[in-house]
Formats: sequence, structure tokens, C-alpha cells
Amino acid sequence: NAGVTQTPKFQVLKTGQSMTLQCAQDMNHEYMSWYRQDPGMGLRLIHYSVGAGITDQGEVPNGYNVSRSTTEDFPLRLLSAAPSQTSVYFCASSSPNSRDSHEAFFGQGTRLTVV
Amino acid sequence: AQKVTQAQTEISVVEKEDVTLDCVYETRDTTYYLFWYKQPPSGELVFLIRRNSFDEQNEISGRYSWNFQKSTSSFNFTITASQVVDSAVYFCALSEARQAGTALIFGKGTTLSVSS
Repeated sequence: NAGVTQTPKFQVLKTGQSMTLQCAQDMNHEYMSWYRQDPGMGLRLIHYSVGAGITDQGEVPNGYNVSRSTTEDFPLRLLSAAPSQTSVYFCASSSPNSRDSHEAFFGQGTRLTVV
Repeated sequence: AQKVTQAQTEISVVEKEDVTLDCVYETRDTTYYLFWYKQPPSGELVFLIRRNSFDEQNEISGRYSWNFQKSTSSFNFTITASQVVDSAVYFCALSEARQAGTALIFGKGTTLSVSS
């Protein structure tokens, strides 16, 4: 099982560039979310989704857009990258209806550097 | 607003010592979920445990045990007879019941270093 797959694993952007971090899960989970991890800050919630067509903001949503057109995919878009967005990004999925109810499965992370 | 506090930034112990990682949370919800995750040096996030707010039973899994006390809003994690492989960053997290497993609010983490 692939679980939660994030691409790319590493990315360097110039300030002002745009890009999309991809996240796909093959567990048919309803819930998906994006976090960023910065040194000394733990993981902070960016956006989350409880189903296709439904998204909501987390703790640090500014500068990021999301959409959820399918159950499997939850891309995170940076419209105009800033150095403050240099971070490690994690995508996660979970389901209230599975044997692993409520456990969040995380991807391997995307290390993004904005120069 | 929800908040998770892990007051211990770093802990260093010698192998075979017991160690307790503290977690204090704040929420206005009456029903919620608490989690512990481990992040080893390789960087992935490993699920350790989930606890419902209405289940205050303590839990033991091998060398790991968890003490949930609603009265003090704490969900502490103890490793008995620590090993070098326990060296990692440990995160405590909280989510509302209606969004259980998603929209996690994490503490800042406790870095545990176990030396031989």
C-alpha cells in the first residue's frame, strides 16, 4: 500500500514563484490536511478537508490555497512564494470510519526552500 | 481556541532510565481526541496512541504508558527503561471530535535524547 504520497520531496523556489505541492492517498480516507513544520514550532495546521468539495482554514492559512476535487487528492498551492514559507510540509489523511479510526497517516514530507 | 503545551523542549537520559513527557491541553469542547506521535531522526511521523476524552483509562503498550487526567487537562507519556532507539521528537496533539484525526493542533514537541 502506498498510503499518503507527497511530491516532490525537495523543492527550491525563487521568491514570487508559484508551485503546487501534491498529496495523494489510496486509503479512501475522507479527511485530509496540510501542516508545516518549522524548527521549534512543532507542526502547524495550514488547511484541511473533511470531504471532496469541502475545505477549511487552519492555524496558518495565509499564502496558501487548497482544493479538494476528489477524495484521493489534496494539492497545496503557493501562489507567490516568500522566504517565510521555507519549511517542511506534511500531508495527512484519516477516516472516522475505518479500523484505524481517527489515526492520521502522514506522508514523508516535502522540504521547500524559498530563496 | 485549542492549544497544546509541551513544556519540556529537550530531555536527555541514559539508557534504562524512565522518562515522562508532559502534555497539557486547552479546549472548550467536551468531546475531543488526544494523540501522541513520534518523529525519529529520519523525519517520518509515527502514530503512537489516540485517546477519546470520555475514556480516562490509562494505557500501557510494552515500555510505553499514557496517563490521561481530564481534571488537570494532561495526557502524559512515560517510557520505561528507555533505549537509544527511543531518541526522537515526540509530539502531543489534539483534535475536535467532529474532525477527529484531521485538523490536529500540535504541541511544539519534546526532543528526547537517550545515550548508551
